Amino acid sequence: EPEVTQTPSHQVTQMGQEVILRCVPISNHLYFYWYRQILGQKVEFLVSFYNNEISEKSEIFDDQFSVERPDGSNFTLKIRSTKLEDSAMYFCASRDDTDTQYFGPGTRLTVL
Amino acid sequence: AQSVTQPDIHITVSEGASLELRCNYSYGATPYLFWYVQSPGQGLQLLLKYFSGDTLVQGIKGFEAEFKRSQSSFNLRKPSVHWSDAAEYFCAVQGYNQGGKLIFGQGTELSVKP
Repeated sequence: EPEVTQTPSHQVTQMGQEVILRCVPISNHLYFYWYRQILGQKVEFLVSFYNNEISEKSEIFDDQFSVERPDGSNFTLKIRSTKLEDSAMYFCASRDDTDTQYFGPGTRLTVL
Repeated sequence: AQSVTQPDIHITVSEGASLELRCNYSYGATPYLFWYVQSPGQGLQLLLKYFSGDTLVQGIKGFEAEFKRSQSSFNLRKPSVHWSDAAEYFCAVQGYNQGGKLIFGQGTELSVKP
């Protein structure tokens, strides 16, 4: 069964450094998403992406965040200058033509 | 604004007992409704979804949920809980806007005692 994959599973970085989180959505899906979950809190929407552009973004998704689909398979989230409060689990999801989103296993980002 | 409320932060049930996890939503119309499960250290797995039609929907692992428009609820149920059901359960709504973002509740942590 096709699934969303994410790499790395765990990323540790120093405050102020740039990180890139990678996702491979399910191949025939057209809508892609990033969500995050701070420890002990609910899952929050960050951004949605369709047809090579952002279709919606949350207040959290400020100028330090960017997304890209650099090729036909990868979908990336870049955090330009990480802050301590960016520490969270980041989930990628892709949506099929029944409007159902499928999530990857997540990348745990730890900012020191 | 759209919102989802899961009133129970933590529930403990005995193995073999029945389970009901509550979910209430706030939305201008009938949204798409989902339940996801997250096992420790894992991602979110879709249990079931409701878009329209029959208000009682069946999902994986023996779970079902009932949509009640009058109560703005979408409660998750299972007749007999197994130890492997211990996990965190999230209810989510999706609006009709172009982006289709999911809005999640706080989650309910389920513990199962032998």
